[in-house]
Amino acid sequence: EVYLVESGGGLAQPGGSLRLSCAVSGFSVSTYDMNWVRQAPGKRLEWISYISGRSGAVWHAGSVEGRFTISRDNAKNSLYLQMNSLRVEDTAVYYCVRGHMADWGQGTLVTVSS
Amino acid sequence: DVVMTQSPLSLPVTLGQPASISCRSSQSLVHSDGKTYLFWFHQRPGQSPRRLIYEVSNRDSGVPDRFSGSGSGTDFTLKISRVETEDIGVYYCMQGSHWLWTFGQGTEVEIK
Repeated sequence: EVYLVESGGGLAQPGGSLRLSCAVSGFSVSTYDMNWVRQAPGKRLEWISYISGRSGAVWHAGSVEGRFTISRDNAKNSLYLQMNSLRVEDTAVYYCVRGHMADWGQGTLVTVSS
Repeated sequence: DVVMTQSPLSLPVTLGQPASISCRSSQSLVHSDGKTYLFWFHQRPGQSPRRLIYEVSNRDSGVPDRFSGSGSGTDFTLKISRVETEDIGVYYCMQGSHWLWTFGQGTEVEIK
């Protein structure tokens, strides 16, 4: 069975950094495309980052380009999101998602506030 | 970016009655590989989204057959043949045919 478990969320100050982790089981992150999707309070879902399972190529939405970086560790079978230069508008629940959004983690809350 | 527009945004329904949600995209969702990457999700309060439908009309494993998806090009529909209590929550459409992938604004289904 497929499991995705996010961690690393919490309170950060504007301009600060956080690193989200997603531990997966039931499949290998090296063989599946993986994504980060976020949901700000009361807002629609927003896809923000993608990493190709086959090539490792990455793609980020313009709203986070240059500030967030998606990566993976095949040995640890984990996905990561390094978030720098955080803004108040980055406050959201962040989800780790497999492939074409077939499987989702439970999400981790990131709050950016002074 | 492709803009996904859902209607209605709020849908009061009667248990046992049908319901329908529309999703329109700002450009055709036919991918260069010939497939149409239009998905439907259901999110209950406090829970993660769950994918119900992929590639317009294919139900995911475990999804009841009262859910059906249809459409083509830029116009898509999710139908629930007979609404049950567990169906309340917010429904989102999403396109995966064009970078970046985008979601609709959501349709909240509630029981009358």
